[in-house]
Amino acid sequence: AQSVTQLDSQVPVFEEAPVELRCNYSSSVSVYLFWYVQYPNQGLQLLLKYLSGSTLVKGINGFEAEFNKSQTSFHLRKPSVHISDTAEYFCAGFDGNKLVFGAGTILRVKS
Amino acid sequence: GAGVSQSPRYKVAKRGQDVALRCDPISGHVSLFWYQQALGQGPEFLTYFQNEAQLDKSGLPSDRFFAERPEGSVSTLKIQRTQQEDSAVYLCASSLQSGDVQTQYFGPGTRLLVL
Repeated sequence: AQSVTQLDSQVPVFEEAPVELRCNYSSSVSVYLFWYVQYPNQGLQLLLKYLSGSTLVKGINGFEAEFNKSQTSFHLRKPSVHISDTAEYFCAGFDGNKLVFGAGTILRVKS
Repeated sequence: GAGVSQSPRYKVAKRGQDVALRCDPISGHVSLFWYQQALGQGPEFLTYFQNEAQLDKSGLPSDRFFAERPEGSVSTLKIQRTQQEDSAVYLCASSLQSGDVQTQYFGPGTRLLVL
């Protein structure tokens, strides 16, 4: 069964600094990975997904993630964050018909 | 509508009451999912429908939880005799097709508080 681990519960960062949110997965079958963002009192919005092909995936709002099979990781990165990026970010894997989520990482962007 | 909608957005229930949560998926979406998100945690799968058929209910925590999608569109999640541990945000998601990996689109959720 798929499981997903997000190593950091909170990541504080100053505006315009780069950020990396870490995600590791375990799976014995095909790997499909996603990053979602959740703003306060809102549902989940898809940032990006990896299904196959290029290991570097670009998403919305300037985010990108790299699938690394040898390290079983799918870390999310942004070279320069904005205040508006403050939100909770969830990494998820696909297991059968359902998504399996990590516990989430709260990104706090400070001015 | 353009996205997945859920109602009510907030629900306060006394312990022991029954509640019903509604989900309107994106029009034409075949698959519908319910997830439960406890405070400070990631969403956890509850159940999955393909059209009106409930194909997976392995995540429902007890027989007090029941979901239906009788006409293959709107779905209702019902919780009987609510308990305090049922307090959570209930998220609904839909996707266009089934079988292949499809992007799931989420609604805003229903925040349930059981007192």
